[in-house]
Amino acid sequence: DGGITQSPKYLFRKEGQNVTLSCEQNLNHDAMYWYRQDPGQGLRLIYYSQIVNDFQKGDIAEGYSVSREKKESFPLTVTSAQKNPTAFYLCASSITGGKITGELFFGEGSRLTVL
Amino acid sequence: AQSVTQLGSHVSVSEGALVLLRCNYSSSVPPYLFWYVQYPNQGLQLLLKYTSAATLVKGINGFEAEFKKSETSFHLTKPSAHMSDAAEYFCAVSDRGYGGSQGNLIFGKGTKLSVKP
Repeated sequence: DGGITQSPKYLFRKEGQNVTLSCEQNLNHDAMYWYRQDPGQGLRLIYYSQIVNDFQKGDIAEGYSVSREKKESFPLTVTSAQKNPTAFYLCASSITGGKITGELFFGEGSRLTVL
Repeated sequence: AQSVTQLGSHVSVSEGALVLLRCNYSSSVPPYLFWYVQYPNQGLQLLLKYTSAATLVKGINGFEAEFKKSETSFHLTKPSAHMSDAAEYFCAVSDRGYGGSQGNLIFGKGTKLSVKP
């Protein structure tokens, strides 16, 4: 079945450590996105990529990094520079980079907890 | 700049009662509008979307929403709530990619719906 796979679903990290969240899609979508979700805050855009080898910062990119070496993959690294990384992270994709309908397809999410 | 306001962070209804979740938007160009649903510890799933066709949009699970330009609203309704409707609901707006716009979605803060037996 086509969809978006995020891993791991749960992740614990010690302060000062970098951690990478995986996001893979087999929908043949051009655009991919990373959102951060905190209780009562809605979804906030971290990074997005409209095409392979290109990505742009979203609203809260500080302390995060991404790469887009393959169309199917858009990993997110949470670095030690991110001061409050404990959150639920959602990866999404869309067919045309959001320029026509903006409809997003989401993965199941990854919950990161910093100990 | 675009924005979305969802009125009420928590809404509680009885099973079988009307569900009404409110969403108002701000956009300088004709918007695309969306409602998504999220169950605990899961991703978001599209309920319905408005893309300038009919102003009354029907979605999955018996939900519908009406685009009212004069009120800048896109409220979500369901005539009769079911226990399985308990979830968090997000309204979202995007522009249409005019000029240099990327057309990214802007999400509201969400409304948690509780359904009482």
